[in-house]
Amino acid sequence: SQELEQSPQSLIVQEGKNLTINCTSSKTLYGLYWYKQKYGEGLIFLMMLQKGGEEKSHEKITAKLDEKKQQSSLHITASQPSHAGIYLCGADYTGTASKLTFGTGTRLQVTL
Amino acid sequence: EADIYQTPRYLVIGTGKKITLECSQTMGHDKMYWYQQDPGMELHLIHYSYGVNSTEKGDLSSESTVSRIRTEHFPLTLESARPSHTSQYLCASSEATGAAETQYFGPGTRLLVL
Repeated sequence: SQELEQSPQSLIVQEGKNLTINCTSSKTLYGLYWYKQKYGEGLIFLMMLQKGGEEKSHEKITAKLDEKKQQSSLHITASQPSHAGIYLCGADYTGTASKLTFGTGTRLQVTL
Repeated sequence: EADIYQTPRYLVIGTGKKITLECSQTMGHDKMYWYQQDPGMELHLIHYSYGVNSTEKGDLSSESTVSRIRTEHFPLTLESARPSHTSQYLCASSEATGAAETQYFGPGTRLLVL
């Protein structure tokens, strides 16, 4: 969707390195969801950030929502092979969280 | 981990066949969704339901149909499959709690129509 841009499209990092994935919206966000997808499989929910700006962490993953920029970042500290996959952001533009608009994803590879 | 199931996981079928993709959830969620995802592309919402006997078309036009006779079950049917229907189909569900609700996804069905 051109309303929601993710960058980079793909990323290769060495194990132990930090990385950041961005998701930028051209419209006002009511909420922003981060999911992880293994190739050919379903989406695993990671975090949800609400309008107003928020930061959440789970294990080595931190996500932030910058309301001013309408942008969210997902930061992984000390990456591991288990972090490999496709990271998708989903935008709630309606306030109901029922109809999400997804980005095209960032494909992350973690090398040993 | 969400309790939402999809069968079959993989399906190869010939043109013109009728197929039904199954989706079930055991969480008692009122809302359920079907998304279509082509390789390397974003998910597109094709159908959703806010409860039993409620179904709506999503943002992406689809020749498929859905039904919601039971809360836990949201099957998707293609009356006559065509190669253009080849894609991955993802089912999701959420509890109707307002702005903080989260959609949980099934493992997906990869469909190949020859």
